Amino acid sequence: QVQVQESGPGLVKSSETLSLTCTVSGDSMNSRIYFWAWLRQPPGKGLEWIGSIYYTGSTFYNPSLKSRVTISTDMSKNQFSLSLTSVTAADTAVYHCARHSDSGYCNGSRCPRSGWFDPWGQGTLVTVSS
Amino acid sequence: QSVLTQSPSVSGTPGQRVTISCSGSSSNVGDNYVYWYQQLPGTAPKLLIYRNYQRPSGVPDRFSGSKSGISASLAISGLRSEDEAEYYCVAWDDNLSGPVFGGGTKLTVL
Repeated sequence: QVQVQESGPGLVKSSETLSLTCTVSGDSMNSRIYFWAWLRQPPGKGLEWIGSIYYTGSTFYNPSLKSRVTISTDMSKNQFSLSLTSVTAADTAVYHCARHSDSGYCNGSRCPRSGWFDPWGQGTLVTVSS
Repeated sequence: QSVLTQSPSVSGTPGQRVTISCSGSSSNVGDNYVYWYQQLPGTAPKLLIYRNYQRPSGVPDRFSGSKSGISASLAISGLRSEDEAEYYCVAWDDNLSGPVFGGGTKLTVL
């Protein structure tokens, strides 16, 4: 069965770039069915979708974060990564990666047209320090 | 402020049936599938309901989902202490071109 696992620094300085990697095991990221997603949850708060990537490299980002986010893949390692620039204390959160299922079409192109995330990684806490 | 609206909390006693609501708009709940997640303290969210009412393998039939118009509901019958958790609804939003979450509902089993 597929598993995903986050890795990366737990502490990032304010104004710098947060970088995390998600390793996928038990399934190939080359699947045409799935997207691969990053989500986050600030301490004591709710969940927020950051963005998703398709095996072709096509990406979809949360409009509120789009100017600072890049998600990329390394198919040779079956990994995908998150880069978030110019971080502030508001970016302190537990960051999760997940498989994003039930894709559909948006304006004729494949898109992750669902809220189906399964499985999730256990999450990694990233604290932004001043 | 979350795009989908959930009551902050709900409570019930063991054996009871509780309902958690999720309210949206025509661009999300009204026009797309709703998904529900259970998040136990200190753990990652777990998919509970997909495509409005379908249960993944392993999810007890005590959990059921429904949708009508721009509102969706998660019902939990035969409440157990282990059901005490945070519950989130999610739906794709056509205007934002992304999935949007509810703020979460904390279920307390008294």
